Amino acid sequence: AQKVTQAQTEISVVEKEDVTLDCVYETRDTTYYLFWYKQPPSGELVFLIRRNSFDEQNEISGRYSWNFQKSTSSFNFTITASQVVDSAVYFCALEGGTSYGKLTFGQGTILTVHP
Amino acid sequence: KAGVTQTPRYLIKTRGQQVTLSCSPISGHRSVSWYQQTPGQGLQFLFEYFSETQRNKGNFPGRFSGRQFSNSRSEMNVSTLELGDSALYLCASSLGMDGYTFGSGTRLTVV
Repeated sequence: AQKVTQAQTEISVVEKEDVTLDCVYETRDTTYYLFWYKQPPSGELVFLIRRNSFDEQNEISGRYSWNFQKSTSSFNFTITASQVVDSAVYFCALEGGTSYGKLTFGQGTILTVHP
Repeated sequence: KAGVTQTPRYLIKTRGQQVTLSCSPISGHRSVSWYQQTPGQGLQFLFEYFSETQRNKGNFPGRFSGRQFSNSRSEMNVSTLELGDSALYLCASSLGMDGYTFGSGTRLTVV
């Protein structure tokens, strides 16, 4: 069975602070995919990144960066110099190699960035 | 390029009624997945369709069903609605090689 744990329920920071959102996953699949999504108040899930299990390179996209470590089954997400517009719920998700469209989501982390 | 379109955006139904939600995927996407989001259970997978075939199904009762048409548009149906079915229902489409693009969802309220 697949499982994703986001231990941080809520995080509150002041603008320009760096913030890291933790994600730990469990799977028996050797091939799998990890995702991060952002959900603003409008409700739509906005795709941020997809990473396959064979690619452990860290990735940076603007103020966003991701650290994937298979040894600890973690896929953490860091926002550098946070902004008020980053306030949202962030979800980490896992798709097994043969799960056909089934994403297993964590419970989400509510990020609030104060001006 | 148009995104994933879900209709209607909001719906209020009475217990015992049935409801049909619609999802139009991004043009060219043949995979459509459905999710239910509630404050208590979070985001839960309902089912996935590819080329009109259901390839995967989550742990939901038989009252929840879906289908996909030849143009890849998908519908999900919930029969005999219960108060606990109140949720945001999200649809996602995929080309298969990238991530999943979600629609804005249908917020269903059962009274």
